[in-house]
Amino acid sequence: DVKVTQSSRYLVKRTGEKVFLECVQDMDHENMFWYRQDPGLGLRLIYFSYDVKMKEKGDIPEGYSVSREKKERFSLILESASTNQTSMYLCASSLAGVWTQYFGPGTRLLVL
Amino acid sequence: AQSVTQLDSQVPVFEEAPVELRCNYSSSVSVYLFWYVQYPNQGLQLLLKYLSGSTLVKGINGFEAEFNKSQTSFHLRKPSVHISDTAEYFCAVSDRQKLVFGQGTRLTINP
Repeated sequence: DVKVTQSSRYLVKRTGEKVFLECVQDMDHENMFWYRQDPGLGLRLIYFSYDVKMKEKGDIPEGYSVSREKKERFSLILESASTNQTSMYLCASSLAGVWTQYFGPGTRLLVL
Repeated sequence: AQSVTQLDSQVPVFEEAPVELRCNYSSSVSVYLFWYVQYPNQGLQLLLKYLSGSTLVKGINGFEAEFNKSQTSFHLRKPSVHISDTAEYFCAVSDRQKLVFGQGTRLTINP
């Protein structure tokens, strides 16, 4: 079974803090994705990566950056957290050329 | 760019009743279509997908969906729902190298 894990289920941070969300997959998938999920808006793609050290902007990259130093790990960074970044963050992975994505359990982030 | 519209944000049904969750997508070019389910406090898991072939696709937990190219729709159906089907359901469409998700439909089952 594909396993995608996220470092925290719940996180509380203060405005202006630097926040790291970590995602690890154990199936040697080339593709990794970060989404945020908000009520009524569904899932919106923040960033994705097709290979180590490679990244592409999604639909809402502002205020975020990513890092992919190893194939199995994809980190989402909030350089200076703001209250409008309070959300559920979901990581996913997939094999190259395969559309099916496998999701982690999500990190619910609250920025105060 | 592709877009997906899930026509109902919430669908309440009684247990053992049939249900249909509606999904329309924007483009008539070749697409791949997906339904994912999110149970409370969990990530998303794949219910079913349409890549090619038969337009009627069967998935897990008794769900099925029909791809209708002329209507640009991919509605999800189940003939008899169970309390355990309470969840949020997301339709998604392929767009170049990524998926575009709909807004989600919350399915609530009443006993």
